[in-house]
Amino acid sequence: DGGITQSPKYLFRKEGQNVTLSCEQNLNHDAMYWYRQDPGQGLRLIYYSQIVNDFQKGDIAEGYSVSREKKESFPLTVTSAQKNPTAFYLCASRVQGQDTQYFGPGTRLTVL
Amino acid sequence: LAKTTQPISMDSYEGQEVNITCSHNNIATNDYITWYQQFPSQGPRFIIQGYKTKVTNEVASLFIPADRKSSTLSLPRVSLSDTAVYYCLVGDDRGSTLGRLYFGRGTQLTVWP
Repeated sequence: DGGITQSPKYLFRKEGQNVTLSCEQNLNHDAMYWYRQDPGQGLRLIYYSQIVNDFQKGDIAEGYSVSREKKESFPLTVTSAQKNPTAFYLCASRVQGQDTQYFGPGTRLTVL
Repeated sequence: LAKTTQPISMDSYEGQEVNITCSHNNIATNDYITWYQQFPSQGPRFIIQGYKTKVTNEVASLFIPADRKSSTLSLPRVSLSDTAVYYCLVGDDRGSTLGRLYFGRGTQLTVWP
């Protein structure tokens, strides 16, 4: 089946630790996106990448880092510099010429 | 990108038609209007997209007046499973620039039995 996978679904980390969230897609989409969602809030863009080896900051990039070494993969690292990392993280992808972004199931990160 | 304004929440009963209106006064000529649906702890899902007049698919209808400064998502005969957050987005979503989309807080629709 084609789609976007995010792992793990739930993630717990101690404060001060870096953590990497996985996002993989087999849709052959060019662009990929990372969003953060807090309870009762909309989605806020963290980073996005339009092509391999290139990415741009979104609205809340501070404390996060990404890489795009392969078209299929766009991992997000939440660093210890992120003040409030506990949130629901969503990965999405899109291909040129199509109407929509396709979202993964999300990863809920809790920092203890 | 054009900013959108939509109600924070709406309530309905099963079997009723629900209309959610979104304002986008600064919509640009190339912008499309897109609606997504999100269930708790899931990623948003594309519902419908339009440019002008009316668009209908198996899930919903989208009504866009001639001035395109607003749009209305219509859900016919809602059921409990339609309880979700609905987002209205305006932008060049045809993917030609592979750029970014802006998701606001959306409208929380609650359907009651």
